Amino acid sequence: QKEVEQDPGPLSVPEGAIVSLNCTYSNSAFQYFMWYRQYSRKGPELLMYTYSSGNKEDGRFTAQVDKSSKYISLFIRDSQPSDSATYLCAMRRGSYIPTFGRGTSLIVHP
Amino acid sequence: NAGVTQTPKFQVLKTGQSMTLQCAQDMNHEYMSWYRQDPGMGLRLIHYSVGAGITDQGEVPNGYNVSRSTTEDFPLRLLSAAPSQTSVYFCASSYHSPQGTGGTDTQYFGPGTRLTVL
Repeated sequence: QKEVEQDPGPLSVPEGAIVSLNCTYSNSAFQYFMWYRQYSRKGPELLMYTYSSGNKEDGRFTAQVDKSSKYISLFIRDSQPSDSATYLCAMRRGSYIPTFGRGTSLIVHP
Repeated sequence: NAGVTQTPKFQVLKTGQSMTLQCAQDMNHEYMSWYRQDPGMGLRLIHYSVGAGITDQGEVPNGYNVSRSTTEDFPLRLLSAAPSQTSVYFCASSYHSPQGTGGTDTQYFGPGTRLTVL
């Protein structure tokens, strides 16, 4: 079993929908949780960063971490076709190199 | 700032050939990493470095070699290319605060190198 599990999708939604992306993990030592967005043929770029449990909101994006369940989520409100990309979760302990999920492909159709 | 740059963008090799993928960053980051990305496999760590002169293996190091003689550069060498090394390769760099607690401890990725081994 991989340390970080993420459903690769694809997830296809209509424009304006609320999108929920999720990852589960097995290592309880993870403290820092990130979501990266990767457009086709580009490198990943950081979208959200959360320390420990709780919620963090940035515009249309909300990241949630539930350490008791070892479960993290990314919500996208009012999804747009420009949100179509692969979303990768990542997590790490302290200053260690992060461990990435496989990524979920999201398609938002007009 | 150019950020993280990678060359070449595309490369085709024959089995058994060797080559070096270049990676450079101008952000004075201590940590640098190499990943490969294959369909359905996500990002897999090949090698990483926590500073000049210090490197370590990641999840899939076989067939690859690295060195870090300067803070800025972290080349990845394929010693004898194999078709299984056909992939997209990403270099990343990051700053790490002493306690690893800062939000600046995020990774910045280069644009990738698409490698095909025939």
